[in-house]
Order: sequence, then C-alpha cells, then structure tokens
Amino acid sequence: DTAVSQTPKYLVTQMGNDKSIKCEQNLGHDTMYWYKQDSKKFLKIMFSYNNKELIINETVPNRFSPKSPDKAHLNLHINSLELGDSAVYFCASSQDPMSYGYTFGSGTRLTVV
Amino acid sequence: GQQLNQSPQSMFIQEGEDVSMNCTSSSIFNTWLWYKQDPGEGPVLLIALYKAGELTSNGRLTAQFGITRKDSFLNISASIPSDVGIYFCAGRGAGGTSYGKLTFGQGTILTVHP
Repeated sequence: DTAVSQTPKYLVTQMGNDKSIKCEQNLGHDTMYWYKQDSKKFLKIMFSYNNKELIINETVPNRFSPKSPDKAHLNLHINSLELGDSAVYFCASSQDPMSYGYTFGSGTRLTVV
Repeated sequence: GQQLNQSPQSMFIQEGEDVSMNCTSSSIFNTWLWYKQDPGEGPVLLIALYKAGELTSNGRLTAQFGITRKDSFLNISASIPSDVGIYFCAGRGAGGTSYGKLTFGQGTILTVHP
C-alpha cells in the first residue's frame, strides 16, 4: 500500500489549459502539503492544510487552488497554465503541523508546452 | 523568510570514500532534518535532530545539530553506489512563522563511481 499517492505521475499540457493533480494519504495524518521542485531541484512549500483547513499559503499565484475534501485528500488545481509552471509537484503529509516526519509522494512531473 | 544554504551543490566520489555536506541558516532552527531523494521519487527522511550539539547516527550516516543552532552537517562513510541521489537538509525555525512549514536547503547531488 502506497502511503502518499499522487496522480498522475506525468502530465504534459499546453499553455492556457487547466489541470488538476490529486493526492491521497492512508497514514491517518492530519496535515498535508504541496511542494514545488524546480529544475534546480529546489523544494519550496506552496500550501499546507491541517484537518481540511488551509494553514499555509506561500505567495503562490491565485491560478493555483488547493482543495481538501477530507483530511486524507489534498488536490491541486491549476488554471491558465504557464511555461514557468513546469516542475515536479510533491504532495506530503505529517501527523500534525509541527511533526518533522513528512512522508512524500513520488511526485507529479508537469510539463507545459 | 528563512533560508538554508547547503553545500556543496554536487559531489563526485569513488565508491568507498567518505562524504561530508553541510547546511547553514541565517536564523536559529529548532529542528534539523536530513532527507534523501532518489531519482523519480520523493524525499525520504534519513535523520532528525532536535537538540543543539546532538550527534545522531543511522547506519553509515552521521549527522550533527550545530551548537549555535544555525548549522548542521551530514557525513556518509564508506560510500556505495546506492548512496547516489540528492540529499536535502531541512529545518524548522523558532517562532510562529514556522508553524506547519519545513524549509529545505538547495540539495547536494551525490554521484558515486564504482
């Protein structure tokens, strides 16, 4: 059983399209995250949800909209995709917002052409 | 915001050699963590450090939480080919702004030649 699963693993799409990435965790964790890893491998937090409530929103363009229907799921919807959105997006979860033990998904490689 | 400076950016070593990498911060951190990312996968936690001066080992890996709370290092002894990957330091700072947020270093890309 995969602890944190993301779909799809690869996503190639044209500029201007709208796309979604889904994430599910079966660890019973309360907190979930979206991180973006750019071409230089730098990991930067985008959003964090604790028990379905948004607790972190890090200066991300409002074209990015996270949604957490329940604490086991955190989806990321991106409107009007731009070339600069190309990156690997990682979902992660932790027991609570102060836990150090993040479990990451295997990532979604988004390529905007 | 909090920033971590990790060095070196990349390392090319021979199998059997020891490796050392470090991370520094401009502000005090309460927790230091070291993660490894294999190609095509997400980062996996290797070692967690909670107290200034703490030295912790995990097999061939040893990490230390600096006395000033502004730095940490990771050593890998007797490297093997499967040590290849990207190593990230991460930390959680003091204060409310760190709630729910780990800050990651830029990563060290390790290549091990057999």
